[in-house]
Amino acid sequence: QVQLVQSGGEVRKPGASVKVSCKASGYSFDSYGITWVRLVPGQGLEWMGWISAYNGDTDYAQKLQGRVTLTTDTSTNTAYMELRSLRSGDTAVYYCARATDMPTIKMELRYWGQGTLVTVSS
Amino acid sequence: DIQMTQSPSTLSASVGDRVTITCRASQTISSWLAWYQQKPGKAPKLLVYRASGLESGVPSRFSGSASGTEFTLTITSLQPDDFATYYCQQYNTLPWTFGQGTKVDIK
Repeated sequence: QVQLVQSGGEVRKPGASVKVSCKASGYSFDSYGITWVRLVPGQGLEWMGWISAYNGDTDYAQKLQGRVTLTTDTSTNTAYMELRSLRSGDTAVYYCARATDMPTIKMELRYWGQGTLVTVSS
Repeated sequence: DIQMTQSPSTLSASVGDRVTITCRASQTISSWLAWYQQKPGKAPKLLVYRASGLESGVPSRFSGSASGTEFTLTITSLQPDDFATYYCQQYNTLPWTFGQGTKVDIK
């Protein structure tokens, strides 16, 4: 069965960086993409970005451009989300989800990781 | 970017009520719209895909419909397990975008 297992919670100070991992199993990793979504306390779900595990193409939410980088390691079937220059507003639960490998192929988000809480506090 | 305007933001209802949540897209997205249910501490769960396709295992009291750029999620008879937050999401065009969410709580 398809599973996405994320790394554990993190605490960072403002200005620091964090890197969250998402290990996939149960499917052909490089035939799909991974998208990242976060849930900020008191707010709704926010789409952060997408990466194709097939060819490495990416797309990022404009408000996070320059601070977020998505990568994949096909040798370990793992996706990574790195967020830099952290601020208190980045405190959130971060989720990965299996997505399409090419945006022209539409795909809903059927499989999700369990979420990773990132707390930014001085 | 395509904006998804979801309403209402909160909804108080009783068990057995019929509940309707609406999502409007700022431009055409064909039928590339999904609905998710999220409970505290849990990942979002896919309920409806392609505007009206019921995900496997989801109770038939949930249904989705579309009319142009307006999309609706209906719960015909609200059950105790349905109190949660619901989100729409368009996946027609990157960047994919979510509605603001609708929290369904107990009246």
